[in-house]
Amino acid sequence: GAVVSQHPSRVICKSGTSVKIECRSLDFQATTMFWYRQFPKKSLMLMATSNEGSKATYEQGVEKDKFLINHASLTLSTLTVTSAHPEDSSFYICSARPNVGHSADAYNEQFFGPGTRLTVL
Amino acid sequence: QKEVEQNSGPLSVPEGAIASLNCTYSDRGSQSFFWYRQYSGKSPELIMSIYSNGDKEDGRFTAQLNKASQYVSLLIRDSQPSDSATYLCAVNPQHGTPLVFGKGTRLSVIA
Repeated sequence: GAVVSQHPSRVICKSGTSVKIECRSLDFQATTMFWYRQFPKKSLMLMATSNEGSKATYEQGVEKDKFLINHASLTLSTLTVTSAHPEDSSFYICSARPNVGHSADAYNEQFFGPGTRLTVL
Repeated sequence: QKEVEQNSGPLSVPEGAIASLNCTYSDRGSQSFFWYRQYSGKSPELIMSIYSNGDKEDGRFTAQLNKASQYVSLLIRDSQPSDSATYLCAVNPQHGTPLVFGKGTRLSVIA
């Protein structure tokens, strides 16, 4: 299998606070994970590529100091939204790509977590 | 710039019919191709992967790939109301890079 979990599934916070979202690959190792954001009725938008043991690669227009990514192990990546504001309210989704040796590796399959719905008041 | 194009829909089909979803991509060197299903308010779920020209069948789903035409399609046979969702086409330009997603086609299966 290839199961990815996210925690929390839903979070409501006050403006100015920071929120941490965890993404875990439960039954495989993933050197590379991806963070996406999706606004209602809009397309998936790739925010950054998270690499275990190295700095994340951010997409153009995504503030690296606002969206902190840490990929400390082969099964865990975290996204911290710092000083959150109402415009950061969105559906944040991670995906993970299994490492070499997994059946999905040869074809670059990616598996998504269930997502985290962030509401900033 | 690598692009993946899909008709946004909505595509409406009656229950029991065949739904045909299409996707074109710009990077001729792309290696692998995926279809994801996304229900409203949920995250995408991988339903089909295809890597070689031709057809690949899995249950009621058939993915078709034509690299010469840079075209990928997904057929859903015996469509059910539970198939109503947005279908995302994704392309892997090269191994190790992020997938490039289309904007999705919204499918509505009418009972």
